Amino acid sequence: DAKTTQPNSMESNEEEPVHLPCNHSTISGTDYIHWYRQLPSQGPEYVIHGLTSNVNNRMASLAIAEDRKSSTLILHRATLRDAAVYYCILLIQGAQKLVFGQGTRLTINP
Amino acid sequence: DAGVIQSPRHEVTEMGQEVTLRCKPISGHNSLFWYRQTMMRGLELLIYFNNNVPIDDSGMPEDRFSAKMPNASFSTLKIQPSEPRDSAVYFCATGSSGRDNSPLHFGNGTRLTVT
Repeated sequence: DAKTTQPNSMESNEEEPVHLPCNHSTISGTDYIHWYRQLPSQGPEYVIHGLTSNVNNRMASLAIAEDRKSSTLILHRATLRDAAVYYCILLIQGAQKLVFGQGTRLTINP
Repeated sequence: DAGVIQSPRHEVTEMGQEVTLRCKPISGHNSLFWYRQTMMRGLELLIYFNNNVPIDDSGMPEDRFSAKMPNASFSTLKIQPSEPRDSAVYFCATGSSGRDNSPLHFGNGTRLTVT
């Protein structure tokens, strides 16, 4: 499985945008980029996924580099509720088996 | 939609006892995954089922662990006998394998403490 690299932790302020990076230099052409997050004392939850084009949904935006070797999850206006561990995971089309790395622990300051 | 339901939420047991964790998938989902989370090892996949059939159990730590899915509405993860190193949060996740890139939905987990 292609690997992803994320910073261990990041910190931001409430109501400011947050850019969470993910490097995946060995990504293959059939790998989708998925993001999940885990709030304290909860199971992981799906955030967003994409293949080549940038994607937007009600939770976040996903910006994918042109060479697909990196991507950035964008929270446009962070709230305290966005404090969580964010995981960037690669999946081939149709696959569901999520392999979690250590993720990025995001702290939001009031 | 009640989501993925796991029970119990917390389980405290003594070493050597049998432990059974339960999961009720979201109705209509046909894939089910059991994960374990510890501080040291993070989230690890133990086993997953597709249409009630075990597909990959390579993550099951040892023979003390077993999982079943007797029907589409229910799965169990059993540890017999339990050991202190089994203490962790166990998550069940379900999804629709027939739909490309459909996300997995996780339950809130069972926190197991073995003393």
